[in-house]
Amino acid sequence: DTGVSQNPRHKITKRGQNVTFRCDPISEHNRLYWYRQTLGQGPEFLTYFQNEAQLEKSRLLSDRFSAERPKGSFSTLEIQRTEQGDSAMYLCASSWGQGAQDEQYFGPGTRLTVT
Amino acid sequence: GESVGLHLPTLSVQEGDNSIINCAYSNSASDYFIWYKQESGKGPQFIIDIRSNMDKRQGQRVTVLLNKTVKHLSLQIAATQPGDSAVYFCAENGDTGNQFYFGTGTSLTVIP
Repeated sequence: DTGVSQNPRHKITKRGQNVTFRCDPISEHNRLYWYRQTLGQGPEFLTYFQNEAQLEKSRLLSDRFSAERPKGSFSTLEIQRTEQGDSAMYLCASSWGQGAQDEQYFGPGTRLTVT
Repeated sequence: GESVGLHLPTLSVQEGDNSIINCAYSNSASDYFIWYKQESGKGPQFIIDIRSNMDKRQGQRVTVLLNKTVKHLSLQIAATQPGDSAVYFCAENGDTGNQFYFGTGTSLTVIP
């Protein structure tokens, strides 16, 4: 257990529905990252926050995806109008520091299945 | 995006032998690299990192080698144990330094 928690651990939804995932990072960590991982592949960066500010977004993050970190603590990732191609593991990671050269601690992920 | 790939998708080793997992990266601007271990049903776990001003770094039973000339990274695991069975990813921080690009992964199986 790294101290990063994600909920729910599994989510099955029908195509077209909206889903929201939550990540609780290690409490003193100022950076929070979201990744997507499909079977047999490495995690793909989606976005990251420094405190409450969303500083970078990948081009993978379409306009159906939105992430928030309103108080600089927990974060939510929402996917609107889900598509089957959204089925993946969504991973959250947190770190303490000012740059990417700080160890990221990953949560267990939320596995999304879109039927 | 970046291209971080692994030469072998699967690797089987006998318990007690040494394991070597290789990784090629494409972005010469990357200056920080990490090896992660991911067990089934879990998120990636940090193993060891190396900065571009180093060629070698050792941890407990693990060594990472960086060859910037050919953009190659390797992870050596000494005296491999059954608990080392997992998928191993290398990751680089790319142009901006704020994103990490992961390779496809190598599945390591340790045969008792």
